[in-house]
Amino acid sequence: GDSVTQTEGQVTVSESKSLIINCTYSATSIGYPNLFWYVRYPGEGLQLLLKVITAGQKGSSRGFEATYNKEATSFHLQKASVQESDSAVYYCALSPTGGYKVVFGSGTRLLVSP
Amino acid sequence: NAGVIQTPRHKVTGKGQEATLWCEPISGHSAVFWYRQTIVQGLEFLTYFRNQAPIDDSGMPKERFSAQMPNQSHSTLKIQSTQPQDSAVYLCASSLEGGYAEQFFGPGTRLTVL
Repeated sequence: GDSVTQTEGQVTVSESKSLIINCTYSATSIGYPNLFWYVRYPGEGLQLLLKVITAGQKGSSRGFEATYNKEATSFHLQKASVQESDSAVYYCALSPTGGYKVVFGSGTRLLVSP
Repeated sequence: NAGVIQTPRHKVTGKGQEATLWCEPISGHSAVFWYRQTIVQGLEFLTYFRNQAPIDDSGMPKERFSAQMPNQSHSTLKIQSTQPQDSAVYLCASSLEGGYAEQFFGPGTRLTVL
């Protein structure tokens, strides 16, 4: 079946430094999957950060970017300069082409130190 | 717009008791999803309704778990004879339509089975 792998359980970054959170995926369904980054801020519900449904495209939101790399089957999340308010848990996810069932990675907790 | 509402936010049951979790989707959304989050398994899809009809319950445990959507304004997830391994955060999400439309998540219900 489909799966998403996030290798880092927690990442600590100093404020104003750059960030990369790794995500790779495996999709067995026909066609290229839709890819997502969700975020859960402390005390809040899970919310969509960005999505990309076309291979090769880049999605961006709130200063975060992720590029859909179908050759490497990766969808890494990057930000050039993090802020303390970015501290949250980030989930990489996919759904099959035209599908609804979202498969989530294990999540990466980002701690931004002042 | 109040977002997806889930009640209760926390529920504690004794082993063997029944638990019913409620979800009120965003008004106008035709798709409702249930997910379960545990430390071991992460976020897992349970079931999906579209226009109140059950579409996919492939993630639901075959025994003791059932979900219904009696009207467009709420869905319930019922667990009979709860077991300690049912302890988890249960998330409800809704979207305007199925497919890869953005899913909006509720805050979740934390179920603890003693």
